[in-house]
Amino acid sequence: DTGVSQDPRHKITKRGQNVTFRCDPISEHNRLYWYRQTLGQGPEFLTYFQNEAQLEKSRLLSDRFSAERPKGSFSTLEIQRTEQGDSAMYLCASSSSGTQETQYFGPGTRLLVL
Amino acid sequence: DQQVKQNSPSLSVQEGRISILNCDYTNSMFDYFLWYKKYPAEGPTFLISISSIKDKNEDGRFTVFLNKSAKHLSLHIVPSQPGDSAVYFCAARGSGGSNYKLTFGKGTLLTVNP
Repeated sequence: DTGVSQDPRHKITKRGQNVTFRCDPISEHNRLYWYRQTLGQGPEFLTYFQNEAQLEKSRLLSDRFSAERPKGSFSTLEIQRTEQGDSAMYLCASSSSGTQETQYFGPGTRLLVL
Repeated sequence: DQQVKQNSPSLSVQEGRISILNCDYTNSMFDYFLWYKKYPAEGPTFLISISSIKDKNEDGRFTVFLNKSAKHLSLHIVPSQPGDSAVYFCAARGSGGSNYKLTFGKGTLLTVNP
């Protein structure tokens, strides 16, 4: 068990560019979550997958954001036409099914939009 | 409206002493609570959790107490060690249809002095 991995760990981009992040969950986990953390705040929920189905999107996730989990394994989060306000740490977590299953987080991708 | 509140941004304790981190919540639908520890440039690491049907859960040096009537929980670390220095996040999960996403507090920075 290698844990949740995310790639890249850091991304610097110019305003208006598109960026894509990847998350590989723990292999036996069927649930995958994306969170965003800004300075001085706790992580905030963005979206959630059970297998390949995206079951909820937060209102924080504007139309410029899209997430996929095509085969129920890894997931990608794409931000189109990035804005400076998108600068944050993007965290991925995974868990098994169940009401009290723990979410295990990856190391995050830190995005800086110039 | 912040549903999970950690009112102390920081806490400093001496090595060997007890660290007590507090968390309050407002949503009575929360029924599962977790504590995560976060080092800079890393993702949150799960520490300990508690279900709303319990009032205490212990794991080694870490104990979480839950007071449902006061909507308050606390994390006790005894004895505190310098390696415990990190940001600690309290998180809560709801029952029913929202039993997957976590709502986090803003975190408390714990510094354990040698």
